[in-house]
Amino acid sequence: NAGVTQTPKFRILKIGQSMTLQCTQDMNHNYMYWYRQDPGMGLKLIYYSVGAGITDKGEVPNGYNVSRSTTEDFPLRLELAAPSQTSVYFCASSYAGTYYGYTFGSGTRLTVV
Amino acid sequence: KNEVEQSPQNLTAQEGEFITINCSYSVGISALHWLQQHPGGGIVSLFMLSSGKKKHGRLIATINIQEKHSSLHITASHPRDSAVYICAVPRGTDKLIFGTGTRLQVFP
Repeated sequence: NAGVTQTPKFRILKIGQSMTLQCTQDMNHNYMYWYRQDPGMGLKLIYYSVGAGITDKGEVPNGYNVSRSTTEDFPLRLELAAPSQTSVYFCASSYAGTYYGYTFGSGTRLTVV
Repeated sequence: KNEVEQSPQNLTAQEGEFITINCSYSVGISALHWLQQHPGGGIVSLFMLSSGKKKHGRLIATINIQEKHSSLHITASHPRDSAVYICAVPRGTDKLIFGTGTRLQVFP
């Protein structure tokens, strides 16, 4: 089982560039999430989706956009990258939300210079 | 005050020791997650529990909903248990609130 596949693993962006972090799951999970993890801080929710065609903002959505056209895919778009977006990004999925187990991707380490 | 507090923040142990990591939370919940983040960065879900105790191998998680407290125990610790252990509580059905983690190092 692939679980949650996240690409790329590492990326360096220049200020003002844009990029898309890809996330795909093969477990037919309804819920998908994007988190960022800054040093010494807990995971912060950026955006989440409870099913195809439905997305909603989390705690720190500014500077990001998402779409969920299929159950499997939940890409995260960074527009006009800023140094404050330097972080480690994790995609995760769950069958039906917080009362079910979560499966995490391997993470993307993003540096904006 | 954070909604989810973990203690200790850092923990070192000798191989074979019994480890306890604590998680306290201020919100009313009916379930709690324990996660493990490996030194390489990957995150694995260990337990999701809503009452009593769960056991998987050398890992045991307990929760007391009334006291808003959970513990993660590791018996006969091993260097491969070295990781960051994170607890998380639901805020509704859509979102988890995460603690900042307990960094465990087990030395041979």
